[in-house]
Amino acid sequence: GAVVSQHPSRVICKSGTSVKIECRSLDFQATTMFWYRQFPKQSLMLMATSNEGSKATYEQGVEKDKFLINHASLTLSTLTVTSAHPEDSSFYICSASVAGGPKTQYFGPGTRLLVL
Amino acid sequence: KQEVTQIPAALSVPEGENLVLNCSFTDSAIYNLQWFRQDPGKGLTSLLLIQSSQREQTSGRLNASLDKSSGRSTLYIAASQPGDSATYLCAVRPGGNQFYFGTGTSLTVIP
Repeated sequence: GAVVSQHPSRVICKSGTSVKIECRSLDFQATTMFWYRQFPKQSLMLMATSNEGSKATYEQGVEKDKFLINHASLTLSTLTVTSAHPEDSSFYICSASVAGGPKTQYFGPGTRLLVL
Repeated sequence: KQEVTQIPAALSVPEGENLVLNCSFTDSAIYNLQWFRQDPGKGLTSLLLIQSSQREQTSGRLNASLDKSSGRSTLYIAASQPGDSATYLCAVRPGGNQFYFGTGTSLTVIP
């Protein structure tokens, strides 16, 4: 089956630093990847949609200059949280859609970010 | 905007009991509906996907139904086991690639 990985699985950083999270489709090509954020006791909220080779589309209320998304290849998308603050602490999950296939999304295991 | 609600927010049952989780959505124009399982601090595991033209899907002890016109879906778990303890999320897709997730039902199955 299609597998999506995320790295790192957990990261702790100081306030003001930037953190990069990688999302990889391991055994398929993904033209579209999605980034979600999940705060404790809340559901997943879509942050942005990332298409290979083009600019990401951000959901309303998500700062594109703070959450930089790069989808440089059909198997890799990165989310960079710039100048992270404690309120950015959350669980970040990516998903990927198979290129040319049915519109099933495969979810990664998530990255826990804690900003001190 | 599509809103997805799940009831109850939390549920605790003794092992062996059958149970039903509920999901409702405000806009019936959906492409499909999917039920996921999420273990603490983990990602999502897809359980069942129901296309808009379907009324139910079954996998093992799980059965999901969809009543699109009324904006409702249920996930039925038969003969619950402690390993079923997790948070269950339902998500609807209106079309395209975007999911709208519910807030989840946290299930605890007591041995």
